[in-house]
Amino acid sequence: EPEVTQTPSHQVTQMGQEVILRCVPISNHLYFYWYRQILGQKVEFLVSFYNNEISEKSEIFDDQFSVERPDGSNFTLKIRSTKLEDSAMYFCASAGNNEQFFGPGTRLTVL
Amino acid sequence: AQSVTQLGSHVSVSEGALVLLRCNYSSSVPPYLFWYVQYPNQGLQLLLKYTSAATLVKGINGFEAEFKKSETSFHLTKPSAHMSDAAEYFCAVSLFYGGATNKLIFGTGTLLAVQP
Repeated sequence: EPEVTQTPSHQVTQMGQEVILRCVPISNHLYFYWYRQILGQKVEFLVSFYNNEISEKSEIFDDQFSVERPDGSNFTLKIRSTKLEDSAMYFCASAGNNEQFFGPGTRLTVL
Repeated sequence: AQSVTQLGSHVSVSEGALVLLRCNYSSSVPPYLFWYVQYPNQGLQLLLKYTSAATLVKGINGFEAEFKKSETSFHLTKPSAHMSDAAEYFCAVSLFYGGATNKLIFGTGTLLAVQP
């Protein structure tokens, strides 16, 4: 069964460093998403992406964040200068019709 | 604006007992509703979804949910709990338009514990 994959599973970084979280969506899906879940809190929408551009973004998704689909298979989330409060589980999702499939997540720890 | 409220952050049931996890939604347009399950250290797995067809929706692992527009509810039930059902459950709402899925708005989650 096709699935969304994410790498790395766990990323530890120093405050102020740049991180790139990678996702490989399901191959025939056209819609891509990033969500995050701060420990003990609910899952929050960050951004959606379609046709090589952002279709919607939340207030959380400020200028420090960017997304890219560099090669037609990967979908990346970049945080330019990480803050302590960026520590969270980041989930990638992809959709082909009316259902989003989630990856296993990347746990980002900012020290 | 859309929102989801899950009543009860923690629910504990005995093995074999009925599971009832509550979800109420708010949406200005007909919503699509979802229940996801998250096992420890894993991602989100779709249990079931309501997409404006039958109001009683059956999902995986014996779970089902009923869309009640008059009550703006989408409660998740399972007749008989199993130890393997212990997990966190999230209700989510989205709009559906243009053949695409809009962002999902999640509730705060309900942690289900199953006692032997």
